[in-house]
Amino acid sequence: ETGVTQTPRHLVMGMTNKKSLKCEQHLGHNAMYWYKQSAKKPLELMFVYSLEERVENNSVPSRFSPECPNSSHLFLHLHTLQPEDSALYLCASSERRGERVGETQYFGPGTRLLVL
Amino acid sequence: GQQLNQSPQSMFIQEGEDVSMNCTSSSIFNTWLWYKQDPGEGPVLLIALYKAGELTSNGRLTAQFGITRKDSFLNISASIPSDVGIYFCAGITGTASKLTFGTGTRLQVTL
Repeated sequence: ETGVTQTPRHLVMGMTNKKSLKCEQHLGHNAMYWYKQSAKKPLELMFVYSLEERVENNSVPSRFSPECPNSSHLFLHLHTLQPEDSALYLCASSERRGERVGETQYFGPGTRLLVL
Repeated sequence: GQQLNQSPQSMFIQEGEDVSMNCTSSSIFNTWLWYKQDPGEGPVLLIALYKAGELTSNGRLTAQFGITRKDSFLNISASIPSDVGIYFCAGITGTASKLTFGTGTRLQVTL
């Protein structure tokens, strides 16, 4: 049990669908992250929220829209995705204190997304 | 941009053998992390290293933060079947959002 949960664990959607991924952390952390993991590629950071404010967006297409209503919950809203968006989407959380380096990220189990 | 070169890409070993893998970069990192990922799951943190030269153990796992701050090593002693998985290194520099991952080492353990 890592303290970070994600739902759903698996999702199949068409290119015209709208769906949302949910992440919840039970670790009392104040920063949350979305990553994309594709086959044979390193983990790619998509979004970072710190203290509920988005602090980083790594040039992710607008068909991915994050939402962080509070420090424990993070959503990734999906619409008009492409087949190449099929991947494992991982959520992570950490404790950030200002600009102090070294915060360790704890990952959820991921959502396996297939876009048809 | 920063890149982490992880080697080997894959390993096939017999149960009971020791395993070594490493991660190198042309950039300096302030923190090194090692994760293990099982199929269909998210990465699980194994060891975190915060100081150059630091040597840290977690059961049969030992990791070291290289003196140059550009590399890190992970050793697994007396491997067992449940060690199977993909091992990732990750480095942090600057703010915590700058977590750079290696490409992973896939470990297979045969009986």
